[in-house]
Amino acid sequence: GAGVSQSPSNKVTEKGKDVELRCDPISGHTALYWYRQSLGQGLEFLIYFQGNSAPDKSGLPSDRFSAERTGGSVSTLTIQRTQQEDSAVYLCASSIPGTSGIDNEQFFGPGTRLTVL
Amino acid sequence: LAKTTQPISMDSYEGQEVNITCSHNNIATNDYITWYQQFPSQGPRFIIQGYKTKVTNEVASLFIPADRKSSTLSLPRVSLSDTAVYYCLVGSESSASKIIFGSGTRLSIRP
Repeated sequence: GAGVSQSPSNKVTEKGKDVELRCDPISGHTALYWYRQSLGQGLEFLIYFQGNSAPDKSGLPSDRFSAERTGGSVSTLTIQRTQQEDSAVYLCASSIPGTSGIDNEQFFGPGTRLTVL
Repeated sequence: LAKTTQPISMDSYEGQEVNITCSHNNIATNDYITWYQQFPSQGPRFIIQGYKTKVTNEVASLFIPADRKSSTLSLPRVSLSDTAVYYCLVGSESSASKIIFGSGTRLSIRP
């Protein structure tokens, strides 16, 4: 079946502009995660959704970052007034309890590479 | 928050067995131990998960001692295509948002 998809795959923007990144999780997956990965670094947790609610927003770096999820499916991550330090790959993952007997296996999308000039 | 410690990098040769150890001293009773693999320009993908003792699948084995404060991912007979970053995580569905990927172990396989 279809995996997690993200769009755009690449985004180049100018400092100060707003950007929206989209994630389409696997159908039926109730949990959705956003991560950020800078070049050569590990994954930095940003936010977690269970259904449409976000019980944990603790990873959002600043109030310029926000995310929403509608209909328990698509999620958008919005970065306002982008800065050069926002440049990174933004990864989305989804999961569903009890998949194949594995606890919380996360399925990742290909990521969106954001470059802020 | 469950924290893990693993080597930053490892090198090996084709055909060898590679063991990557992860420390997780404050693992909770409900936590599972999960390993992910990440190739360049791709998102991580699940390799194996265990709770205790030994788990084996078609890709790897996972060894977990009785105290569960560490675990070892074992890759048999590695090939060049196993060159990737390997992440050790601890957590559970009930603490899903607290799972931390960390920096992982960068494994390089040479011919």
